[in-house]
Amino acid sequence: GAGVSQSPSNKVTEKGKDVELRCDPISGHTALYWYRQRLGQGLEFLIYFQGNSAPDKSGLPSDRFSAERTGESVSTLTIQRTQQEDSAVYLCASSKGGTGQPQHFGDGTRLSIL
Amino acid sequence: QKEVEQNSGPLSVPEGAIASLNCTYSDRVSQSFFWYRQYSGKSPELIMSIYSNGDKEDGRFTAQLNKASQYVSLLIRDSQPSDSATYLCAVMGSSNTGKLIFGQGTTLQVKP
Repeated sequence: GAGVSQSPSNKVTEKGKDVELRCDPISGHTALYWYRQRLGQGLEFLIYFQGNSAPDKSGLPSDRFSAERTGESVSTLTIQRTQQEDSAVYLCASSKGGTGQPQHFGDGTRLSIL
Repeated sequence: QKEVEQNSGPLSVPEGAIASLNCTYSDRVSQSFFWYRQYSGKSPELIMSIYSNGDKEDGRFTAQLNKASQYVSLLIRDSQPSDSATYLCAVMGSSNTGKLIFGQGTTLQVKP
C-alpha cells in the first residue's frame, strides 16, 4: 500500500485479555516506530526498530508489553493481561533510513480496555 | 520539569495573521528538533525539522532554534483556517535511537 497500515483500527477488550496490534510499514522503509497517545496527551515513545532489531526498548511501559518485527516489514505489538491504563491510541510510523524521526504515521489502533 | 514543554492553548489568531508556537526542552544534548501537525482524530504528520541554530523556512512555515536557550519555535505566516490543528514539538537526543520526546501539543485555532 501507499502508506503505513495498522490493524485493527479499533479494539475493545476486557481487562486481563491479551491483544495484538499489527503494523505494515511503507515498503522499503527500514525504520519502524511504535508510539502511544493517551487522550489529550502528546506521543509517548514505546519502541524503535531498525530492520528487525530494536536498539531502544526503553519506552515499553512494563514487561506486559512486547514487540517484534520480521522480514524488515510487519511489526506486532503485544500487550498481555491488559489494564485500563493501557487504553490509548497506538500509533506506528516508518521512515526510509535510520534518520531517527518517524516520517509517516499510520492511522493508529484505538484500544479501549473495559 | 517535563522534558518538552508546550503551552496547550488554545492559541487563537485571525486569518492572515502570524501564529507563533513555542517549545522548550530540558536536555541540553538534544540535537534534532521537529514539528508535527495533528488534525483532530488524525495521526501526526511531520511538517518541519531543524538541527542548527537559527531559522529554517519552508513555504509559510519557519522553524527557529536557539540551543543556548533550549527553545524552538514555529511561525506560521498568513494563517489559514486549514492550519487549525494541534502542533506537536518533538526533540531527539544525541543517541539517535528513534526515541523522540514529544510535548503535549499546542492547539491552534485560526478564525476566518
